[in-house]
Amino acid sequence: ILNVEQSPQSLHVQEGDSTNFTCSFPSSNFYALHWYRWETAKSPEALFVMTLNGDEKKKGRISATLNTKEGYSYLYIKGSQPEDSATYLCAFEKTSYDKVIFGPGTSLSVIP
Amino acid sequence: GAVVSQHPSWVICKSGTSVKIECRSLDFQATTMFWYRQFPKQSLMLMATSNEGSKATYEQGVEKDKFLINHASLTLSTLTVTSAHPEDSSFYICSAPDSGYTFGSGTRLTVV
Repeated sequence: ILNVEQSPQSLHVQEGDSTNFTCSFPSSNFYALHWYRWETAKSPEALFVMTLNGDEKKKGRISATLNTKEGYSYLYIKGSQPEDSATYLCAFEKTSYDKVIFGPGTSLSVIP
Repeated sequence: GAVVSQHPSWVICKSGTSVKIECRSLDFQATTMFWYRQFPKQSLMLMATSNEGSKATYEQGVEKDKFLINHASLTLSTLTVTSAHPEDSSFYICSAPDSGYTFGSGTRLTVV
């Protein structure tokens, strides 16, 4: 059974704070790690797809790192804004376009 | 970018009736569609994978006679929950591989 875990389960931060969350996944037979941002009543939005150990990706104030040897990825948000409030999902892909295993998500609330 | 349109967004049905959920790829051809279910505070769990022109592949523990999947064309996949019961109440969402994975917006099913 492949388990993908995320921590914390939920997070409340003040506007302007920086924050980070963790995704842990099986370190064997790795193909890709995805991060999604999911706002209520909308489709999950792809943030990053990372495939190589040591990958670092950035999109505006959001960045992510990947360690495939130890099986974890961090997502960082710098200077959180209320519009960053969403659930952040990570998903582990064992082989290309095979089923993607999702973590339970981290729910972020940014308080103005 | 790629869009998957999922309908309905929410549905309430009586126990014993059937409900059909549609996912359409609007600007790309989806030869594969993944169907997920999410119970409160849990991860998105893969139920089945549909492939255009062939039988769907179901995950262990998912009843194929209860969750009928049809992938009749390259732009339409449907999930029918047959003889729905209250325990089928859940959030259902589809996803198609494109350059990454594109999700529908989900369907909240409540069986009363």
